[in-house]
Amino acid sequence: QVQLQESGPGLVRPSETLSLTCSVSGGPISSGNYFWHWIRQPPGKGLEWIANIYYSGTAYYNPSLKSRVTISVDTAKNQFSLNLNSVTAADTAVYYCARVASEGAYCSATNCYGSFDLWGQGTMVTVSS
Amino acid sequence: EIVLTQSPGTLSLSPGERATLSCRASQSVSSTYLAWYQQKPGQAPRLLVYGASSRAAGIPDRFSGSGSGTDFTLTISRLEPEDLAVYYCQQYGRAPLTFGQGTKLEIK
Repeated sequence: QVQLQESGPGLVRPSETLSLTCSVSGGPISSGNYFWHWIRQPPGKGLEWIANIYYSGTAYYNPSLKSRVTISVDTAKNQFSLNLNSVTAADTAVYYCARVASEGAYCSATNCYGSFDLWGQGTMVTVSS
Repeated sequence: EIVLTQSPGTLSLSPGERATLSCRASQSVSSTYLAWYQQKPGQAPRLLVYGASSRAAGIPDRFSGSGSGTDFTLTISRLEPEDLAVYYCQQYGRAPLTFGQGTKLEIK
């Protein structure tokens, strides 16, 4: 069965770049049926969608973070990544990678938004000097 | 951006009772593109319902979703102690994807 696993530094200095990777195991990230997402959750707070990417590299971002975020995919390594620059304490959160299936989703010509049927366990990132 | 408002903030019920959780959207959610998740302490969220009323794989039939337009409901019949969690709704009919702030379910 497919599993997702986040990895990356647990501590990032203010103004630096947060970099995380989500490794996909048990199935190819290049399956045309899925879209790959990043979501975060500050301590004790709710969930915020960050961005998503298709295996082809087509990406979409939350406008609230778009100026600081880059999402990328590496099909050879079966993983996708998140870079968030100029971080502040407000970026301290658990970061999750997750999957959306195109079946049952809302799809445009180039993207599908849907429910998240598979999640990684999450990785806590603290922004502090 | 579609804002989702969940109520109540906290719900405290006894085992065997029925829980009714509400999710109200600031704009109509297209074609019932609404999902519900359960998040237990220290865990990632788990998909319960998608398309407003379709149960995800492996979810007990005690969990049911309903609603359309701007008003949606998650009902948990016959509460069990393991249902202790925070429940979130999420809309995917319009970008950016958004979540409600959550309802905390306490089991007495």
